[in-house]
Amino acid sequence: DMKVTQMPRYLIKRMGENVLLECGQDMSHETMYWYRQDPGLGLQLIYISYDVDSNSEGDIPKGYRVSRKKREHFSLILDSAKTNQTSVYFCASSAGTGAETLYFGSGTRLTVL
Amino acid sequence: QQKVQQSPESLTVSEGAMASLNCTFSDGTSNNFRWYRQHSAKGLEVLVSIFSDGEKEEGRFTAHLNRANLHVSLHIREPQPSDSAVYLCAVSRNNYAQGLTFGLGTRVSVFP
Repeated sequence: DMKVTQMPRYLIKRMGENVLLECGQDMSHETMYWYRQDPGLGLQLIYISYDVDSNSEGDIPKGYRVSRKKREHFSLILDSAKTNQTSVYFCASSAGTGAETLYFGSGTRLTVL
Repeated sequence: QQKVQQSPESLTVSEGAMASLNCTFSDGTSNNFRWYRQHSAKGLEVLVSIFSDGEKEEGRFTAHLNRANLHVSLHIREPQPSDSAVYLCAVSRNNYAQGLTFGLGTRVSVFP
């Protein structure tokens, strides 16, 4: 069963704290993504990873960094979280570079107080 | 920059009636279109993908693409209460994820 798993599902942090969002996939997909979804703005691409240690900025990378040390695992890191980073974060993966179907995780709802 | 607009914002239909959703895009070189469904507090699942003008059916879901009119639609045949969700249109203008743009979605509510 093809699956993208995100942890945790819900997270509350205080402004200035570091945040680690984790994502795993069991499909051996080369490409993985981090999106955030906000009302009125829709899904916005933060970072994309084409393979291990091959990461590229998306449309809104400021304030975020990523790490991909294994093909099946992709992390999103917020160093010193800000209140405007409160959002729902989705991880996705695809077999190719983006023209293929994206498979999404269930999301992490992050609240930064 | 690509603009993807969906209409209506919300739609209420009775179980068994046809539901029709619209998506317009701004970049005429777009070549890759998908409809995703998002149930509340869950991730997105792909419903149908279409790459050339015309119609593509996947079960009860049919996409129609007219690139000259910059328009792609989704029709849900015999919708069921379990189809209540937000439907997102995704348009790509190249073969890379950076060229992928999502619409804001249409919220569909299906009542028995």
